[in-house]
Amino acid sequence: GENVEQHPSTLSVQEGDSAVIKCTYSDSASNYFPWYKQELGKRPQLIIDIRSNVGEKKDQRIAVTLNKTAKHFSLHITETQPEDSAVYFCAASKSGGSYIPTFGRGTSLIVHP
Amino acid sequence: EPEVTQTPSHQVTQMGQEVILRCVPISNHLYFYWYRQILGQKVEFLVSFYNNEISEKSEIFDDQFSVERPDGSNFTLKIRSTKLEDSAMYFCASSEATRTEAFFGQGTRLTVV
Repeated sequence: GENVEQHPSTLSVQEGDSAVIKCTYSDSASNYFPWYKQELGKRPQLIIDIRSNVGEKKDQRIAVTLNKTAKHFSLHITETQPEDSAVYFCAASKSGGSYIPTFGRGTSLIVHP
Repeated sequence: EPEVTQTPSHQVTQMGQEVILRCVPISNHLYFYWYRQILGQKVEFLVSFYNNEISEKSEIFDDQFSVERPDGSNFTLKIRSTKLEDSAMYFCASSEATRTEAFFGQGTRLTVV
C-alpha cells in the first residue's frame, strides 16, 4: 500500500517568515495530493490540493509543488501569521476505486507573533 | 455550506461494550470513509464504503468493526467489544467522487475506560 512520510514533525517560525513542509510517497500510481489543516480539537480541512498533471499550484500565501519523478511534494506558506498555527497533514491517493487518502504523520506548525 | 455531521461528539464506554458512531455524509456524496486519530498521532484510514458495500479496509478494521448505511442518510461505525486501545477521535468523511476532496466531520471522541 501507499506510504507517506512527512517532515518535519514540528516547525517553529516567526510571524512573517516562510514555512515549508515536505512529504514523500511510495506508490507511483498516486495522482492526487491534498493538504489538510487541523486546528486543535477540530476536523481536518482541505486547504489546497494538487493533481499529478501539474507541478505547482498557488492560492494566495499557500503553494504546493509536486515532483512525480522523485515522488515528493511540498507545502509552502509565505508571510506566516499566528492563525496559521495548526497541524498540517499531507496525503496521497490514486483514482481507480474509491478515494482513500493516505495521510502523513502531520507537522505541527507554530507561528510566533 | 454542506457539512458532514457526526454524533455523538464524545462517547465514554466501558471496555467490552458495543458502541455505534453515527455520521450523516453530505447528501450528494457517494463515497464514505471512517478514519481514526489516536491522540497526537496521524489520521489513520479504517474503511471506505461505496455502493452499499465496503470497498477497502485497513488492517485496523478487524472483525470487531463493522459499517452500515441503514438508510439513505446515515453511515454508522460499530465497534462490537471495545478495547482500551480503541480510544481515539473517529472521523467520518465523504466525497463526491474519486480524486476529489474528502470532507471530514467534526469527529467523535471515543474514550474506553
